[in-house]
Amino acid sequence: GENVEQHPSTLSVQEGDSAVIKCTYSDSASNYFPWYKQELGKRPQLIIDIRSNVGEKKDQRIAVTLNKTAKHFSLHITETQPEDSAVYFCAAIPSGSARQLTFGSGTQLTVLP
Amino acid sequence: EAQVTQNPRYLITVTGKKLTVTCSQNMNHEYMSWYRQDPGLGLRQIYYSMNVEVTDKGDVPEGYKVSRKEKRNFPLILESPSPNQTSLYFCASSPTGLGDTQYFGPGTRLTVL
Repeated sequence: GENVEQHPSTLSVQEGDSAVIKCTYSDSASNYFPWYKQELGKRPQLIIDIRSNVGEKKDQRIAVTLNKTAKHFSLHITETQPEDSAVYFCAAIPSGSARQLTFGSGTQLTVLP
Repeated sequence: EAQVTQNPRYLITVTGKKLTVTCSQNMNHEYMSWYRQDPGLGLRQIYYSMNVEVTDKGDVPEGYKVSRKEKRNFPLILESPSPNQTSLYFCASSPTGLGDTQYFGPGTRLTVL
């Protein structure tokens, strides 16, 4: 099955700096890679996703890049703000399945004022 | 308001006492899923359902049952709960499958003594 590894597990940045979270996956045929944000005590919410036919996708201060050859994808947050503090999860859908989603273990991002 | 609801939100029970966590969505979504969230392990999929009367195992199905008799409801059943099932549980739904945005419920904090 699919294995998704996420790094780092914790990340602290100064407000205004950029944050980068990286995930690697094992199944080279995986084709969909969403990122979820979970604020303290809240439910996960999708913030951005990317499909395997695209190398990069941006949405305001958030971007995701995908390197299929190296089997990794990354979340980039620019001009970080205190409200970006949360746990971020990457995920991947294994090949041959549009039904199961494998999550990374999460990154606790803290934006320091 | 479009939403996924779960009940109860908090539950403390004892080993062996059968319990059901309900999940309901009002968005006419075909796909529904259950996850458990444990520190350092991210979100792990328990069961999922592609449509009414269609259910399948996720990564950690042992000790759980589900049913999908109606499109809107997807209850999670623990026939004989054990302490290792103490966790935070999330129900999620999406329009057709995992390639769509998943909408998570508010979560159920379960403690098994």
